[in-house]
Amino acid sequence: GDSVTQMEGPVTLSEEAFLTINCTYTATGYPSLFWYVQYPGEGLQLLLKATKADDKGSNKGFEATYRKETTSFHLEKGSVQVSDSAVYFCALSRAYGGSQGNLIFGKGTKLSVKP
Amino acid sequence: DSGVTQTPKHLITATGQRVTLRCSPRSGDLSVYWYQQSLDQGLQFLIQYYNGEERAKGNILERFSAQQFPDLHSELNLSSLELGDSALYFCASSSRGGLAGVYEQFFGPGTRLTVL
Repeated sequence: GDSVTQMEGPVTLSEEAFLTINCTYTATGYPSLFWYVQYPGEGLQLLLKATKADDKGSNKGFEATYRKETTSFHLEKGSVQVSDSAVYFCALSRAYGGSQGNLIFGKGTKLSVKP
Repeated sequence: DSGVTQTPKHLITATGQRVTLRCSPRSGDLSVYWYQQSLDQGLQFLIQYYNGEERAKGNILERFSAQQFPDLHSELNLSSLELGDSALYFCASSSRGGLAGVYEQFFGPGTRLTVL
């Protein structure tokens, strides 16, 4: 079945450091890919998405590119801030084959940014 | 604020009991999804309703059931509770039932269930 694998945390960085969180997926066909962020005590928020190969999603300085050849959707940010401390989830969704768009999540990566 | 509300925020109960979690989707959203977040299983899709009808089922136990009412709010019923049911339960809504790549899912703040 479909699955998402993302790097295990926690990840601890200093402010202004470069961030990469790796995410790879297994799915038939052409899923849509997402990064969600969960701040402490809150629900998940969509950070960015990509719906087809070579699409780049971007938001708030974060970027991820849909790479079909490597089945990857790595999250990057050039300079992290303390306010980026949160748990980040990679997810996929298929809108066909009986799926109604439900999300399949990776296990999450906790990011802590130190001042 | 996503516009999705969930009640209660916290729920503590005993094994063998039954509880009901409530979700109100964003205004105008027809689709409601339920997810369970636990330490060992991570975030898992449970069930989806669209405009009152069940549309998709994930890893939902037979002891769990859900429904969506005419006013589009949804309830998740958990019965014969076990210690392992302790988790954070999220509801999400979207304007349509499929094509998640197009129609974003908006998540509520969750209900934290503790089974003692």
